[in-house]
Amino acid sequence: KAGVTQTPRYLIKTRGQQVTLSCSPISGHRSVSWYQQTPGQGLQFLFEYFSETQRNKGNFPGRFSGRQFSNSRSEMNVSTLELGDSALYLCASSPEPGLNTGELFFGEGSRLTVL
Amino acid sequence: GDSVTQMEGPVTLSEEAFLTINCTYTATGYPSLFWYVQYPGEGLQLLLKATKADDKGSNKGFEATYRKETTSFHLEKGSVQVSDSAVYFCALSGLNTGNQFYFGTGTSLTVIP
Repeated sequence: KAGVTQTPRYLIKTRGQQVTLSCSPISGHRSVSWYQQTPGQGLQFLFEYFSETQRNKGNFPGRFSGRQFSNSRSEMNVSTLELGDSALYLCASSPEPGLNTGELFFGEGSRLTVL
Repeated sequence: GDSVTQMEGPVTLSEEAFLTINCTYTATGYPSLFWYVQYPGEGLQLLLKATKADDKGSNKGFEATYRKETTSFHLEKGSVQVSDSAVYFCALSGLNTGNQFYFGTGTSLTVIP
């Protein structure tokens, strides 16, 4: 069974630009969540999608947005990039929205560098 | 709000040494608790979990016990190996929060032969 696939793996942008990251969950998984990983802050929750609907959103500005398609694939977008957005963006999938006992399956991440 | 605090690293141990990585949490109600591990060049993967108080999660020789009275979920292993070198993350998932997990900042472990 293929794992969670994230593209692109690496990208470099300049301040003010926007970026779109893609995530394909494990086949059969309908919940996709996104996390930002930085050395100082660890992993921070961005948002979760299930059945094309955003279920939860973390404490990030409106420049961060996402969506989910009918095939459960998800994209996240960051507009007007800032230097502080440089991070590893992780996508995680699970079969269903958590009953708080579930496990997240992570992709290897998209490493964004903002210059 | 919910949060996790874990021991800062980096931690360097000799092979066969005993490992403890401390993790404490703040949460409303009864969260589920997890340890995730990130090996070099790989994505995060679940190491073990515990879903209720006094549960012990275990996997690959690692153990952690859900202690509600001390709000802790410390990770232990009796004899570490070089292959255990990785970054370890403590995490919690609260009730009714879907897949919104709260992670600690991670503890880097290096095991030397």
